[in-house]
Amino acid sequence: AQSVAQPEDQVNVAEGNPLTVKCTYSVSGNPYLFWYVQYPNRGLQFLLKYITGDNLVKGSYGFEAEFNKSQTSFHLKKPSALVSDSALYFCAVRVRMSSYKLIFGSGTRLLVRP
Amino acid sequence: NAGVTQTPKFRVLKTGQSMTLLCAQDMNHEYMYWYRQDPGMGLRLIHYSVGEGTTAKGEVPDGYNVSRLKKQNFLLGLESAAPSQTSVYFCASSNGRQTSYEQYFGPGTRLTVT
Repeated sequence: AQSVAQPEDQVNVAEGNPLTVKCTYSVSGNPYLFWYVQYPNRGLQFLLKYITGDNLVKGSYGFEAEFNKSQTSFHLKKPSALVSDSALYFCAVRVRMSSYKLIFGSGTRLLVRP
Repeated sequence: NAGVTQTPKFRVLKTGQSMTLLCAQDMNHEYMYWYRQDPGMGLRLIHYSVGEGTTAKGEVPDGYNVSRLKKQNFLLGLESAAPSQTSVYFCASSNGRQTSYEQYFGPGTRLTVT
C-alpha cells in the first residue's frame, strides 16, 4: 500500500542554520512527491514537487528537496532558516493507479528560534 | 483570482444537526477534494470529484455526502453531525494535467460538534 512517513513530530533549529525535514515513502512504481507548508489558521500551500528529472528540486521561499530513490526519501531542506519558516510541513505522495489523489504524512512542526 | 474559497470559516453544531460546507474555485480545475485534518493524523480524504456531476469516496467517507453540480463548486454535507466529526475541513482543487498534480487548498472550515 502507498504510504508516506514523517518520522519527526517537531524540528527545532536556530535562525541562520540549515534545516532538514524528513520524509520517506512507500509506493509502487515511480513516485510523485510533494511538500506543502501550513501556517497557523491557514490552508496548505504548495512548496515543491518531484515528478521526474533532477533529484534536487527547488521550490518556493528558498526551500529545496532531494529525491533519493535508494533510500525512498524526499527530505525538505533550506540552507539558512528564518523565524518566518516556523510552520507545519506536510509531505505527500501520489496514489498509484490514480493521477489525482495524494496521501499526506502526519506533518512535522518546524520551530525556528531567533 | 481568489483561488479556492470555503464558507463558512467557523461553525458550531449540536449532535444530530445538519449542515453544508461550500467550496468554490476559480481556476477552472477539473478535480476537487474534501479533506479533514485532525491533530497528529495529517489530512484524510473524505470525498473527491474528477469532474462536474461525478463524485467518489475517499478514505473516510462515512457520515458525509458531496455534490458537484457545477464545475467550480464542490459541496460537503453532514446529514446528522456527530462529535467525531469535529475537525478542520479543507477543500482543494487540481487541474489534473500530466505535470500538474499539485493541489491548491482553501483556508479551511473549523467545525465543532457538541
